[in-house]
Amino acid sequence: EPEVTQTPSHQVTQMGQEVILRCVPISNHLYFYWYRQILGQKVEFLVSFYNNEISEKSEIFDDQFSVERPDGSNFTLKIRSTKLEDSAMYFCASRTTGPGEQYFGPGTRLTVT
Amino acid sequence: EDQVTQSPEALRLQEGESSSLNCSYTVSGLRGLFWYRQDPGKGPEFLFTLYSAGEEKEKERLKATLTKKESFLHITAPKPEDSATYLCAVQAQGGKLIFGQGTELSVKP
Repeated sequence: EPEVTQTPSHQVTQMGQEVILRCVPISNHLYFYWYRQILGQKVEFLVSFYNNEISEKSEIFDDQFSVERPDGSNFTLKIRSTKLEDSAMYFCASRTTGPGEQYFGPGTRLTVT
Repeated sequence: EDQVTQSPEALRLQEGESSSLNCSYTVSGLRGLFWYRQDPGKGPEFLFTLYSAGEEKEKERLKATLTKKESFLHITAPKPEDSATYLCAVQAQGGKLIFGQGTELSVKP
C-alpha cells in the first residue's frame, strides 16, 4: 500500500541553524501539505503546495520557512534559522485531485536546543 | 472562523464497553469531515471521510456519523488495541485541514 515517507525521524539542531525536512508523497498525488504539532497541542496547518507553487500558507509560515519540490518525488520544508519554539512534530501529507482525504507521513520530530 | 471542538478530551473504557466521541464544527461550507487515528509519536492515520448530513461510514468496531453541526465516532465493544487519540478535522476552503484537539481513548482489558 502506498504511503508517505519522511526523513529524518528525529532532528536535533541548535537555535539559529538551518534544517531541511524531507518528504516523499504518494506517487500519483498532486497536492502536498506540511503541518506541525507542538507537544500536547492540535495539529496545525503550515502550507499547501500545488502545481509547483504555494497555494496557501498560515500565519506561522513566515519568511523563515520555505518549501520546494526539487524533483518528481521529494517535497521539502526548510527552516532557515530555527528558534526554540519551532520544536514540534512536523507532518507531511498528500492527496490526489478533487475533494478527499489527506494521507500523512510518520512525522519528523524537530528538537531545537 | 472555521473551528473544530472535540469532546471528551480523554475517555477511559473497559474492554467491551461501547461509547461515542463527539466532534462539533463550524465551517463556511463543509467540504468534508475527516476522522483520523493517531498513536503516540506517529502521524495521523486516515479512518473516514463524511461529506453530507446523514452520511454514515463503518469500519470494524468504528462507525462515523454526520449531522449539520457535529459528527460522532461510535466505538462498539472496543478492544485494548483501539487505544489511541482520535482526531476530527474539517476541510476548509483551499484544501487545508482544521483539526480538533483530539480525544485520547484508553481501553483497559
